[in-house]
Amino acid sequence: QQPVQSPQAVILREGEDAVINCSSSKALYSVHWYRQKHGEAPVFLMILLKGGEQKGHDKISASFNEKKQQSSLYLTASQLSYSGTYFCGTASGTYKYIFGTGTRLKVLA
Amino acid sequence: NAGVTQTPKFRILKIGQSMTLQCTQDMNHNYMYWYRQDPGMGLKLIYYSVGAGITDKGEVPNGYNVSRSTTEDFPLRLELAAPSQTSVYFCASSYSGVEGYTFGSGTRLTVV
Repeated sequence: QQPVQSPQAVILREGEDAVINCSSSKALYSVHWYRQKHGEAPVFLMILLKGGEQKGHDKISASFNEKKQQSSLYLTASQLSYSGTYFCGTASGTYKYIFGTGTRLKVLA
Repeated sequence: NAGVTQTPKFRILKIGQSMTLQCTQDMNHNYMYWYRQDPGMGLKLIYYSVGAGITDKGEVPNGYNVSRSTTEDFPLRLELAAPSQTSVYFCASSYSGVEGYTFGSGTRLTVV
């Protein structure tokens, strides 16, 4: 079952913050986050492992709640370059790696 | 270091034709994946491989076939193309899965 992301879309002004959630109906052992710009391939942002700490990447960070089977991506003081579609990725089964439904983020000047 | 290379970048097929989408990586990655992305939608897993000689079905394998004879190459075969296979196809690879996946630039396929 595909992980569900929320919200589906969000529009921000530069400098505003956003949170993107990823929920799975199956147990999660790790969660990856990717950003895809229009017409391009997804780019890996970070991975969170079961039992691991919250990760950070510039002003983008993420958390992983194993008990709730969900992860959240935090974008702080958003920049125009943050615009794109964000996907979480998880392993359904040991190697079967699938992506969430996606969240479209647009940052306005 | 080329990373993950996909060819061709664009292709138009007629209904019923067949073709092979090529994917090559030069990073000695064990895990390789094929995804399709329909316009405005997410990524759906077609097939994956955890090493040479080992392949398995993903979420949407019907109408496709794969093989993995070497670590570097993971071609995707479309038999009897249908309009529903119009999509962008991405190949991705990872050494162990823990460090994240590297994607190719994609193949945009249109079936008319």
